[in-house]
Amino acid sequence: DAKTTQPPSMDCAEGRAANLPCNHSTISGNEYVYWYRQIHSQGPQYIIHGLKNNETNEMASLIITEDRKSSTLILPHATLRDTAVYYCIALSSGSEKLVFGKGMKLTVNP
Amino acid sequence: DTAVSQTPKYLVTQMGNDKSIKCEQNLGHDTMYWYKQDSKKFLKIMFSYNNKELIINETVPNRFSPKSPDKAHLNLHINSLELGDSAVYFCASSQDWGGTETQYFGPGTRLLVL
Repeated sequence: DAKTTQPPSMDCAEGRAANLPCNHSTISGNEYVYWYRQIHSQGPQYIIHGLKNNETNEMASLIITEDRKSSTLILPHATLRDTAVYYCIALSSGSEKLVFGKGMKLTVNP
Repeated sequence: DTAVSQTPKYLVTQMGNDKSIKCEQNLGHDTMYWYKQDSKKFLKIMFSYNNKELIINETVPNRFSPKSPDKAHLNLHINSLELGDSAVYFCASSQDWGGTETQYFGPGTRLLVL
């Protein structure tokens, strides 16, 4: 599975959009981009995933660049409860397991 | 309704003891997992079971023995506990086996070995 790179941390003001970047320059054509998050003291939570088209669900939007070398997770109206560590993970359909990296700590400030 | 539940939530014990952590999922999933999150917050997979069969065993000491009595349960038994076993243990489940299957995690069991 391709390596992903995320900044270690980011701040966002409550009510504003949070744009969380992820680089995956070595991603292959059959690898999906997955996002999970872990709110303090809780188990990780699935957010969204995509292959090449942009995706949106009730939690977030995922924008993948045309060359697929990077993506952005968008939380349209961040709340204090969105403060968490966010993990961007590249996975192929043949991946045996989910491998969590260091992730990125998002802090939503009032 | 809790999808993936774990008991106990907290576990404090002495070195050398044997303890078990239980996990149950009511999602009807075929695959269950155990993860360990250490003090540095790295989350690593330990085991994965699919239809009660072990499919992933990530170089975990054999003091750790998972047991899956049925598809809805995956328990973790730890023998001769060591200080380094102190961590948060998360159980998870997914519909089927494979990294791209969406995983649903339990609330975690915080184990402290004294």
